[in-house]
Amino acid sequence: QQQVKQSPQSLIVQKGGISIINCAYENTAFDYFPWYQQFPGKGPALLIAIRPDVSEKKEGRFTISFNKSAKQFSLHIMDSQPGDSATYFCAASLGETSGSRLTFGEGTQLTVNP
Amino acid sequence: NAGVMQNPRHLVRRRGQEARLRCSPMKGHSHVYWYRQLPEEGLKFMVYLQKENIIDESGMPKERFSAEFPKEGPSILRIQQVVRGDSAAYFCASSQNKNSPLHFGNGTRLTVT
Repeated sequence: QQQVKQSPQSLIVQKGGISIINCAYENTAFDYFPWYQQFPGKGPALLIAIRPDVSEKKEGRFTISFNKSAKQFSLHIMDSQPGDSATYFCAASLGETSGSRLTFGEGTQLTVNP
Repeated sequence: NAGVMQNPRHLVRRRGQEARLRCSPMKGHSHVYWYRQLPEEGLKFMVYLQKENIIDESGMPKERFSAEFPKEGPSILRIQQVVRGDSAAYFCASSQNKNSPLHFGNGTRLTVT
């Protein structure tokens, strides 16, 4: 199975709160899991990525948590800001070709209220 | 250092016409990928190309769609005899090699009337 399922579809958070977006996959051959951020009218931009040999990766306010046994990974945005309002996509790819053929989730529209 | 450049940004075609979408990868990148995004949906892989070669076209519709990445010039995604269902945002991405992260352009928004 090539699917990556993402939830929730939309999320509203107050400024300063924590935003959590979840993804689940079925294909255990996936070995690269990036998150992309997309603003209206723009292309997706790589935010942070993880490989299954680690359970957590943090970059600034953004953290990926990875649960290999559950085949799930999540994005946590700490101290969420109005400027974080965007659509977030999780993705996964196969084998050693980490850049190619990303399978994307359906996206989460995040709104951070001031 | 310019990013991935796509043009046109917006393209309007009548049913039955041809659409040609162009993508210039980032400097030094020789791998190009095309994705399609329907409204309120995620991105769906279409095709992966290197210079003069199609590596993976498993996401391309069998008819009317073709892609190329010539030795010189941009990559082209061509849609013949467009239908309303082709209306979408088409994104191009490039990478330096097959193990590098993808960098996306800002897309071409195709509207078929």
